[in-house]
Amino acid sequence: KAGVTQTPRYLIKTRGQQVTLSCSPISGHRSVSWYQQTPGQGLQFLFEYFSETQRNKGNFPGRFSGRQFSNSRSEMNVSTLELGDSALYLCASSFMGPNTEAFFGQGTRLTVV
Amino acid sequence: AQTVTQSQPEMSVQEAETVTLSCTYDTSESDYYLFWYKQPPSRQMILVIRQEAYKQQNATENRFSVNFQKAAKSFSLKISDSQLGDAAMYFCAYAAPNSGGSNYKLTFGKGTLLTVNP
Repeated sequence: KAGVTQTPRYLIKTRGQQVTLSCSPISGHRSVSWYQQTPGQGLQFLFEYFSETQRNKGNFPGRFSGRQFSNSRSEMNVSTLELGDSALYLCASSFMGPNTEAFFGQGTRLTVV
Repeated sequence: AQTVTQSQPEMSVQEAETVTLSCTYDTSESDYYLFWYKQPPSRQMILVIRQEAYKQQNATENRFSVNFQKAAKSFSLKISDSQLGDAAMYFCAYAAPNSGGSNYKLTFGKGTLLTVNP
């Protein structure tokens, strides 16, 4: 069974640009959630999708958005990048939601210069 | 709002010894789930153990066990017979049941970096 796949693994962007990160969950999983990990703030919840519907959103500015497709793959987009957006972005896949076992991808390391 | 606190930023243990990582949480819910996740240098988060709050019995997974004290809102992880491969960042996490509102998320502590000395 293939694991959670996040692409790309590494990304370098310039301040002001936008970026799209992708997450392919485990086959059969309909819940995908996103987290931002930084040394200062730790792991912070961005949003969670289930069957193409956003069920919860964290406390991030509107520059952070996401969506989920009918095949459960999810993308997150960050517009007008700021230096503080540099982080490891982790995607988690689960069958029904985060209180069941969540499987994480290896993350996308975003560096904003 | 739910919060998770890990008071030990770093811990170290000798190989083959036992170590306990601490975690406390705050919630007004009576039903919830608690987790310990491990993040090795590869950065991939791996579930170590899961505890359902309604279960009295402490969860165990091979060398890993928890001490769940619901009244004290405490959830510690004990690693027995520590191995070099156990070296990683360990995160305690909380999740409410899958039902509406502001649920559908994991709330993480800041983590404890565990070093295993040979």
